[in-house]
Amino acid sequence: GAGVSQSPRYKVTKRGQDVALRCDPISGHVSLYWYRQALGQGPEFLTYFNYEAQQDKSGLPNDRFSAERPEGSISTLTIQRTEQRDSAMYRCASSSRLAGGEGVTEAFFGQGTRLTVV
Amino acid sequence: GDSVTQMEGPVTLSEEACLTINCTYTATGYPSLFWYVQYPGEGLQLLLKATKADDKGSNKGFEATYRKETTSFHLEKGSVQVSDSAVYFCALLGGSQGNLIFGKGTKLSVKP
Repeated sequence: GAGVSQSPRYKVTKRGQDVALRCDPISGHVSLYWYRQALGQGPEFLTYFNYEAQQDKSGLPNDRFSAERPEGSISTLTIQRTEQRDSAMYRCASSSRLAGGEGVTEAFFGQGTRLTVV
Repeated sequence: GDSVTQMEGPVTLSEEACLTINCTYTATGYPSLFWYVQYPGEGLQLLLKATKADDKGSNKGFEATYRKETTSFHLEKGSVQVSDSAVYFCALLGGSQGNLIFGKGTKLSVKP
């Protein structure tokens, strides 16, 4: 597609429910990132993939959070047993270069998914 | 660990005023530095970048110079417009990292 697409744009869920957030990166982009942004804060790294391989998940806050990118394209971030503290904007980005590799290139961000846990 | 500190907002300016948003960083090695901008209702967009010391990134009238001696990457614009109203994020990409590390963001409002 023309840009990084995230769905849904807004999600309201009840505490304890599971949610799945989707990211469709720019076609051909090899690396994909997930960030979480609380109100008034900058984005905080969660995890990233090169192709289908999850290279770094050190930013995932606990084992309720998981992410996958099974075919090296679309990625899903899943939050199990949601809690109110999970409420935030979840941002996805993709890049044409391998993350952690040589060279620096632009990461393109989607518009984000605003998650509210009530 | 690596970190980015940028001046807190909000910053309110009149049209055609000069803008400086301060950004300093802490990192091992020689990171690449970025400014991202988020316009209302939109996603983050890269504004400019610099990959080594003394590089100057520029775009849309904005400039920032990578200062290794002061570990800074301040964003400047000589004459702001109402359309520059947005949230600005300073970020770094460390040499051994695959991910960006962001500052907290600075909201800029430009009044006509």
